Amino acid sequence: SQQGEEDPQALSIQEGENATMNCSYKTSINNLQWYRQNSGRGLVHLILIRSNEREKHSGRLRVTLDTSKKSSSLLITASRAADTASYFCAASPNNNDMRFGAGTRLTVKP
Amino acid sequence: DTAVSQTPKYLVTQMGNDKSIKCEQNLGHDTMYWYKQDSKKFLKIMFSYNNKELIINETVPNRFSPKSPDKAHLNLHINSLELGDSAVYFCASSRDYRETQYFGPGTRLLVL
Repeated sequence: SQQGEEDPQALSIQEGENATMNCSYKTSINNLQWYRQNSGRGLVHLILIRSNEREKHSGRLRVTLDTSKKSSSLLITASRAADTASYFCAASPNNNDMRFGAGTRLTVKP
Repeated sequence: DTAVSQTPKYLVTQMGNDKSIKCEQNLGHDTMYWYKQDSKKFLKIMFSYNNKELIINETVPNRFSPKSPDKAHLNLHINSLELGDSAVYFCASSRDYRETQYFGPGTRLLVL
């Protein structure tokens, strides 16, 4: 079973717009992480939010976590063409079983 | 210096062959992983090792066998390769199983 499921599967926006991606998970978690994958590359860690946090910022990234709804969102503000990539969430439960979803493929058009 | 490295980067082979993919991390991490990413970009964990001990072993065929000679290495050996094994295989490591994972560049395996 997948612990992190992203929505939407694909998102296409214009440069300068904001991009919002959502993630849902099933069990209680220790933390939730967002990763980015450029085409043909490995995943790169973006941000980690712990279960006792509700919001976290890093540059143009804003992550929220709602443990009551078992969901998280990743907002990229003022998107750039270079933000084009796949974005994955991974929910880290209290056991040793962190799982990734299938990702959201973001395309930012110049 | 590369934090997590994998070799080879590309691997093209015939059905039925046996092949190995190597992974090394120089981050001093205790936990290492192997993932398979299929053509639909779905990332699926295969194995997880913590201090050379197997922690997660998903329902992968017995043809896949991880080997951890030491904490810094987790190699993946695949016997009797099948067409469906074609995918990108990623190695990753983390301080412990709940923390940030650092991924290798991937090994693109194509079975003909």
